Amino acid sequence: GNSVTQMEGPVTLSEEAFLTINCTYTATGYPSLFWYVQYPGEGLQLLLKATKADDKGSNKGFEATYRKETTSFHLEKGSVQVSDSAVYFCALSQYGNKLVFGAGTILRVKS
Amino acid sequence: EAGVVQSPRYKIIEKKQPVAFWCNPISGHNTLYWYLQNLGQGPELLIRYENEEAVDDSQLPKDRFSAERLKGVDSTLKIQPAELGDSAVYLCATRGRNTEAFFGQGTRLTVV
Repeated sequence: GNSVTQMEGPVTLSEEAFLTINCTYTATGYPSLFWYVQYPGEGLQLLLKATKADDKGSNKGFEATYRKETTSFHLEKGSVQVSDSAVYFCALSQYGNKLVFGAGTILRVKS
Repeated sequence: EAGVVQSPRYKIIEKKQPVAFWCNPISGHNTLYWYLQNLGQGPELLIRYENEEAVDDSQLPKDRFSAERLKGVDSTLKIQPAELGDSAVYLCATRGRNTEAFFGQGTRLTVV
């Protein structure tokens, strides 16, 4: 079945550091890929998405590129802020059906 | 526009008691999901509705869990009887025809 694997956390960075959170997936066909973010005390929010190979999703300074050849969708940000501290989930969906999530990665940014 | 509304936000019950969670979707969203999120894990689908029809309930433990979506709008998820292992966050999400899924804030259930 479909699955998502993302790097374990917590990831602890200083403000303005470069962020990478790795995500790889297993799926038949060509799923849509997503990054969701969960801030403390809040629900899951869509951060960015990509629906086909080589697409780049971007939002709030975060980027991720759909790499079919490596079945990856790594999340990056050039300069993190304390306000980016949250849990980040990589997910996939096929045919508009259910989302399959990774386990989540906790990001802590220190000032 | 209001988002997905879930209630209650928190619930503490004793084991073997029943519990129910309620979800009000974004207006016009025909697809509704209930997800279970255990601590330190990603959400896992329990059931998906298209309007009032449950189209994927393969992961719903039907011996104790039930759900309904009357009139294809609000939905209720019930557990009876609750077990200690049911302690988790229960998330509702809804999706429109050409939108991504939007999540509610969830109900955190603690079974003691």
